[in-house]
Amino acid sequence: DQQVKQNSPSLSVQEGRISILNCDYTNSMFDYFLWYKKYPAEGPTFLISISSIKDKNEDGRFTVFLNKSAKHLSLHIVPSQPGDSAVYFCADDMRFGAGTRLTVKP
Amino acid sequence: NAGVTQTPKFQVLKTGQSMTLQCAQDMNHNSMYWYRQDPGMGLRLIYYSASEGTTDKGEVPNGYNVSRLNKREFSLRLESAAPSQTSVYFCASSYGQASYGYTFGSGTRLTVV
Repeated sequence: DQQVKQNSPSLSVQEGRISILNCDYTNSMFDYFLWYKKYPAEGPTFLISISSIKDKNEDGRFTVFLNKSAKHLSLHIVPSQPGDSAVYFCADDMRFGAGTRLTVKP
Repeated sequence: NAGVTQTPKFQVLKTGQSMTLQCAQDMNHNSMYWYRQDPGMGLRLIYYSASEGTTDKGEVPNGYNVSRLNKREFSLRLESAAPSQTSVYFCASSYGQASYGYTFGSGTRLTVV
């Protein structure tokens, strides 16, 4: 039973537009939720986290929103750039979702 | 600054062979992890070590063993490799505080034939 679910395997957006990546979770006990970014042939890199007591955390072009009542978090990238093309994973500490492949078209 | 170093980067094994994947970190992190990544499955935790001297099973521990040799090193052993263990293996480390995230190595691509 997957505790962290990313239901969209892929997403394609135009450069300069907003990218929204979604994640649902089942276990509300964790203090933090995290997003990682992964390029081919590399390990994932930590991108941004959000505390379970907050509903928003922002870092430059990246903003993560947490909706505790819906057990849902989302990552917004504004504006999207071609270099953002990668696989994005959400995680609740040690458990990862299946990932969403983002493609940003020039 | 090397971060997390994994060796080897690539390996082909025959069914039934054994091997050890090595992982070392130079960030003085307390916790270390082994994950496998398979298409459509994301990253699944095999084993982790919250601190030197301790190890615990993750989601998919069957067929694997680990050793936390010291604070820097955490190895993963396949005693009798099976084709189902064909995967990309990632080692990671962290201070143990969730908000900081993990630092991952670049991975070992293992094929069992």
